[in-house]
Amino acid sequence: AQKITQTQPGMFVQEKEAVTLDCTYDTSDQSYGLFWYKQPSSGEMIFLIYQGSYDEQNATEGRYSLNFQKARKSANLVISASQLGDSAMYFCAMREGTGGSTGNQFYFGTGTSLTVIP
Amino acid sequence: EPEVTQTPSHQVTQMGQEVILRCVPISNHLYFYWYRQILGQKVEFLVSFYNNEISEKSEIFDDQFSVERPDGSNFTLKIRSTKLEDSAMYFCASKFAGIDGYTFGSGTRLTVV
Repeated sequence: AQKITQTQPGMFVQEKEAVTLDCTYDTSDQSYGLFWYKQPSSGEMIFLIYQGSYDEQNATEGRYSLNFQKARKSANLVISASQLGDSAMYFCAMREGTGGSTGNQFYFGTGTSLTVIP
Repeated sequence: EPEVTQTPSHQVTQMGQEVILRCVPISNHLYFYWYRQILGQKVEFLVSFYNNEISEKSEIFDDQFSVERPDGSNFTLKIRSTKLEDSAMYFCASKFAGIDGYTFGSGTRLTVV
């Protein structure tokens, strides 16, 4: 089974509107971390937001928030007040186990291409 | 803000040649990683490195690949006898410890011709 599933290959949003990018995950670990990365056309990977499995509150970072629904195993990214510069690929990722362990590879989803329309 | 630096940004090599991709992680980071992304596809884990040894590697990371931290600052990925299907963006990443996300480098785009 896929560890991370992103079902929206492409999304469009009007500038200044909010948009939700979906992400579901699969793990049997009790301790894990969920991450969102932005990849603009230049190719770099930019860390956006993190949610730990034990965090009770949804993570927020500026215009980004993570809608964490543990029972549903979903970790959707919400971008409020979209800007033209938000047009990019967005990857959801998960790391299983605690951060103190060695290794701890990330599992990435296939990404969602977001286009912000003026 | 500290960065992970990767060089070169783009490398073209002939099939069968060896390439070395270079990364300078953030100086106090302890864990180092290589990922690759074939054009239009998802990011795939290659290898993690901690305490001067490989701690985890994927099926992709076969005998064709090797990593090294030769001098305490650089972290290199060597690909021997490159194949066309090795063409991809290769990302280096590092982290200090704990549960935070990695810091990724800006990537090296490898093109094998």
